[in-house]
Amino acid sequence: GENVEQHPSTLSVQEGDSAVIKCTYSDSASNYFPWYKQELGKRPQLIIDIRSNVGEKKDQRIAVTLNKTAKHFSLHITETQPEDSAVYFCAARFQKLVFGTGTRLLVSP
Amino acid sequence: NAGVTQTPKFQVLKTGQSMTLQCAQDMNHNSMYWYRQDPGMGLRLIYYSASEGTTDKGEVPNGYNVSRLNKREFSLRLESAAPSQTSVYFCASSENDPGGISGNTIYFGEGSWLTVV
Repeated sequence: GENVEQHPSTLSVQEGDSAVIKCTYSDSASNYFPWYKQELGKRPQLIIDIRSNVGEKKDQRIAVTLNKTAKHFSLHITETQPEDSAVYFCAARFQKLVFGTGTRLLVSP
Repeated sequence: NAGVTQTPKFQVLKTGQSMTLQCAQDMNHNSMYWYRQDPGMGLRLIYYSASEGTTDKGEVPNGYNVSRLNKREFSLRLESAAPSQTSVYFCASSENDPGGISGNTIYFGEGSWLTVV
């Protein structure tokens, strides 16, 4: 079955810096890679996703890149703001959606 | 349009007690899911229902049962609660299987905090 590893588990940055979270997946047949943001005590919410036929996707300050050969994908957040502080989850899907273990991002003013 | 609604939000059970978590969605979605979230473990799929009338096991189904009552509702039952089932439970839904051609986002409910003592 699919296995997703996510790094780092915690990430602290200064406001305005960039943040990068990386995930690797095991099943080369996986075709869908969403990223979710979860604020403390709230539900996970989709922030961006990418499909296996696309190498990169951007939405304002966030972007996701996918390297199918290496089986890894990354979330990039530029010009970080304190409201970006949250736990971020990656996921990969072949037959079922499997989540990574999460990255706690802390953006300090 | 409330999205995905789950109840109760908080529950404390004694070991051996049973309970049912209720979930309903008003987005006319075909697929519904139950996840549990534990510290450092991410979101793990317990059971899912790809469409009305079908249910399948996920990664961690032991100790749970589910019922897809109709297209809107998908309940999760703990027959004999154990302390290891202390967790936050999320119900979720998507139009169809995620990753399909039409791009089916999974939407989560607000979560149910369950403590088994």
